[in-house]
Amino acid sequence: DAKTTQPPSMDCAEGRAANLPCNHSTISGNEYVYWYRQIHSQGPQYIIHGLKNNETNEMASLIITEDRKSSTLILPHATLRDTAVYYCIVRASPFYGGATNKLIFGTGTLLAVQP
Amino acid sequence: SAVISQKPSRDICQRGTSLTIQCQVDSQVTMMFWYRQQPGQSLTLIATANQGSEATYESGFVIDKFPISRPNLTFSTLTVSNMSPEDSSIYLCSVEGAPGVITDTQYFGPGTRLTVL
Repeated sequence: DAKTTQPPSMDCAEGRAANLPCNHSTISGNEYVYWYRQIHSQGPQYIIHGLKNNETNEMASLIITEDRKSSTLILPHATLRDTAVYYCIVRASPFYGGATNKLIFGTGTLLAVQP
Repeated sequence: SAVISQKPSRDICQRGTSLTIQCQVDSQVTMMFWYRQQPGQSLTLIATANQGSEATYESGFVIDKFPISRPNLTFSTLTVSNMSPEDSSIYLCSVEGAPGVITDTQYFGPGTRLTVL
């Protein structure tokens, strides 16, 4: 699986958009970009994933560059409850014959939402 | 998404003892996994729990230390054997897929916080 690079920490003001970047320059054609977050000592929470098109759900938006070498997770209106470690992970999807279901977690980005 | 529960939610144990952690899902799932998160660290996959056969362990993890059972499609256990303080971690189970359905999202349980004295 390809590796990802994320900044170790970011701050964001409450009510503003939080934009979390991720580099995955060695991503393969059949690998998706997944985002999870972990609020202090809880189990990771799935946020969103995508292949090459931009995706949006009730939690966030995922913007993937055309060359797929990087992506940005956008929380449109950050709240204090969004303070967490955000993990960007690339993984082959079983829809594309991905042989592994492993999620390989890096160190993530600690997002601190400030009041 | 599946509802996943773990028991116990936390425990404090003495070195040399063993603890069995349970993971229960409210629906049948194809894949079940066990992860470890050491203090201040990210998650590391321990093994894939296979129904009806031995678990598949990742490098650095062995069956004698972390025996795993998976008797059916909704339940799995992880035992941490002969514990030492270095085993103090959060242990998490995760699940993915459903029988006959290909899905591509993994969901996590709330975790079990283990402290070994």
